[in-house]
Amino acid sequence: EPEVTQTPSHQVTQMGQEVILRCVPISNHLYFYWYRQILGQKVEFLVSFYNNEISEKSEIFDDQFSVERPDGSNFTLKIRSTKLEDSAMYFCASSEGTTGYAFFGQGTRLTVV
Amino acid sequence: AQSVAQPEDQVNVAEGNPLTVKCTYSVSGNPYLFWYVQYPNRGLQFLLKYITGDNLVKGSYGFEAEFNKSQTSFHLKKPSALVSDSALYFCAVRDNLGSYIPTFGRGTSLIVHP
Repeated sequence: EPEVTQTPSHQVTQMGQEVILRCVPISNHLYFYWYRQILGQKVEFLVSFYNNEISEKSEIFDDQFSVERPDGSNFTLKIRSTKLEDSAMYFCASSEGTTGYAFFGQGTRLTVV
Repeated sequence: AQSVAQPEDQVNVAEGNPLTVKCTYSVSGNPYLFWYVQYPNRGLQFLLKYITGDNLVKGSYGFEAEFNKSQTSFHLKKPSALVSDSALYFCAVRDNLGSYIPTFGRGTSLIVHP
């Protein structure tokens, strides 16, 4: 079965540092997403990406965040200057369209110290 | 605006007994409803969805969910729980009007005891 893969599985970074979380979506999918889950809280939408541009974003996705699809296969989330409150599990997802369901990766646990 | 609530943080059930994981929602238009499951160290896996049609939806691993419009609920059920069903379950909803991005609940931890 096709799957979304994320690397790394766990990243520890110092406050103020930049991090890049990487994802390889399913190859024939057109829509890509990043979500995050702070420990014990709900899964929160960050951003969706379609046709090489951001299609929707939440209020969480401020200027510290950016996404990129640099080479047609990878989909990255960059946090420019991490804060303690950015510590969370970050999930990448992809879907064929907008009416069905999304396939999720296993997540990257980001710990900011 | 769309929202979803999973009122139980944890559900405990004995193996072989029926299980129910509750979900209620709020949308402006008509709902698209989803259930996902997350096993330890894994991503969210799709279980089932309701878009339109039959109110009883059958999904993976023997799970089913019943859409109840009057109660705005979409509870997940299974007639006979297995220990291997122990996981975190997420309900999600999106409105057929407006954004195509679903809103997720905070998850319910299902623990099935042998």
